Formats: sequence, C-alpha cells, structure tokens
Amino acid sequence: EPEVTQTPSHQVTQMGQEVILRCVPISNHLYFYWYRQILGQKVEFLVSFYNNEISEKSEIFDDQFSVERPDGSNFTLKIRSTKLEDSAMYFCASSEALNGYTFGSGTRLTVV
Amino acid sequence: DQQVKQNSPSLSVQEGRISILNCDYTNSMFDYFLWYKKYPAEGPTFLISISSIKDKNEDGRFTVFLNKSAKHLSLHIVPSQPGDSAVYFCAASAHGRDTGKLIFGQGTTLQVKP
Repeated sequence: EPEVTQTPSHQVTQMGQEVILRCVPISNHLYFYWYRQILGQKVEFLVSFYNNEISEKSEIFDDQFSVERPDGSNFTLKIRSTKLEDSAMYFCASSEALNGYTFGSGTRLTVV
Repeated sequence: DQQVKQNSPSLSVQEGRISILNCDYTNSMFDYFLWYKKYPAEGPTFLISISSIKDKNEDGRFTVFLNKSAKHLSLHIVPSQPGDSAVYFCAASAHGRDTGKLIFGQGTTLQVKP
C-alpha cells in the first residue's frame, strides 16, 4: 500500500536554529498538508498546498514557517528560527482529492 | 478553537463488547466527517468517513452515525478487539473551503481488555 514517508523520524535542534522537515507524498496525490501535535494536545492543521501554492494556512503558520515542493516528489516544511514551543510531532499528509488523507508517521521535533 | 470536541478522554471496554466513541461539532459548515486511529509514534490512520448527506456508514466492524440536528457523530466498533486499543480522533472538514483542511477533536483513548 502506498505510503507517505517522513524524514527524519526524530530531530533535536537548538533554539533559534533552522530546521527542514521532509516528506515524500504518495506519487499521484495532488494535495499536500502539514499538521502538528504538541504532546497531549490535538492534531492541528498548519498548511495545505495545491498546484504549487499554499491554499490555506492556520494562525500557527506564521512567517517563521514555509513550505516548498522543490521537485516532483518532496514536500518540505521549514522553520526558520525554532522556538521551544515548536517542539511537537509534525505530520505530513497527502490526498488525491479533498478527502481520504494518508498521513506519514511523523517527525518528532525537539527544540532545546 | 473547539469546533470539534471529544468529551471523553478515555474509554475502557471488554473484548467482544461494543465500543462507542462520541464526537460533537459546532460549525454547521462541516459537511464531511472522518475517524482516525492513532498508535503511539505513528501517524493517524484513516478508519471511516461519512458525508453530511448520510446518517450512517458501515465498514466491517466499524459504523459511523451522524446526527446533523444534534451536531453529533459516533463511532461504533463491534466486536471490540484488543488490537483496537489506540487513540481515536474525530475530524471534520467543510468542502466548500476547497482546501481539504481538517479540524480534529482532542482524541479518545480506547482500551480493549482481553
């Protein structure tokens, strides 16, 4: 069964450093998403991406965040200057249409 | 932002019995609802969905019921199995937004005891 692949599975970074979280969506999917889950809290929408542009972003997705699809297969989330409160599980997801998401296994980001 | 609420943080059920997980929503624009299951250190896995034009959808042991007037949906698992022990998330979307954004509830941890 096709999978959404996320790397790395765990990233530890110093506060103020830039991090790039990587995702390989399912190949024929057209819609891409990033969500995050702070420990013990709900899964929160960050951003959706379609046709090489952001289609919607949440209040969380401020100027510190950016997304990119640098080639035909990768979808990345960059956090420019990490803060302690950015520590969370970050999930990438993709879908062929506007439902039926497939989520990746997540990247656990720890900011120290 | 409490548009989707799962008021029971946990549920414990005996193997073979029915598990009923509940979810309430406030946004009348939601027209598509999903249930996801999540194990620790894994991403959410899609279980079952329902469109607002239906009131029931069934897939094997899983049935989702939607009561639009009450803005309430529930997931029934019968019979429950120990492997069903996980966190269950209800999620909703408004297709009219054309972005696929999902709003998740807080999750309910289901424990199925052998």
